[in-house]
Amino acid sequence: DVKVTQSSRYLVKRTGEKVFLECVQDMDHENMFWYRQDPGLGLRLIYFSYDVKMKEKGDIPEGYSVSREKKERFSLILESASTNQTSMYLCASLGTGPYEQYFGPGTRLTVT
Amino acid sequence: GDSVTQMEGPVTLSEEAFLTINCTYTATGYPSLFWYVQYPGEGLQLLLKATKADDKGSNKGFEATYRKETTSFHLEKGSVQVSDSAVYFCALITLTGGTSYGKLTFGQGTILTVHP
Repeated sequence: DVKVTQSSRYLVKRTGEKVFLECVQDMDHENMFWYRQDPGLGLRLIYFSYDVKMKEKGDIPEGYSVSREKKERFSLILESASTNQTSMYLCASLGTGPYEQYFGPGTRLTVT
Repeated sequence: GDSVTQMEGPVTLSEEAFLTINCTYTATGYPSLFWYVQYPGEGLQLLLKATKADDKGSNKGFEATYRKETTSFHLEKGSVQVSDSAVYFCALITLTGGTSYGKLTFGQGTILTVHP
């Protein structure tokens, strides 16, 4: 089975801190994604990556950056956390073919 | 751009009731359609999918039919169980050009609660 893991289930940070969210997948997938999930808004794509060192902005990239130094690892970075970035963050990976995305369990981030 | 609209929730049903969650979409290309389910405390799991018009996806007693004429992909189950309580997301992928990757566009999610 595909396994997508995220470094933390719950995280509390202060306004202005730099925050790193890590995601690792074990299926050699090329494509990886970061979403945020908010009540009533569904999932919104922040960034995605289709290869090592390649990245593309999603629908809401402002305030975020990403890093993909190795194929299995995709990191989301909040350069200076703000309270409006309090949310559930979901990572996903996707192989080529029928486009089924595999999701990690999520990180619930609270910025105070 | 692409968009997905789900019926507003939350939805509360008694066990063995019939379930329908409506989903309609707008897409510039020819999308593949998905339903994902998120159980409490977990990430999203693919529930079912359909890749072309009139296809019916099915899994765990859930069904949805790709209706191109009405741009819909409604989720149905004939008899729900308490264990079906979860958040359900409708989603689509449209590929453009020669891309080999897909970006999912999600609906806002529908919370389903089933009581014994």
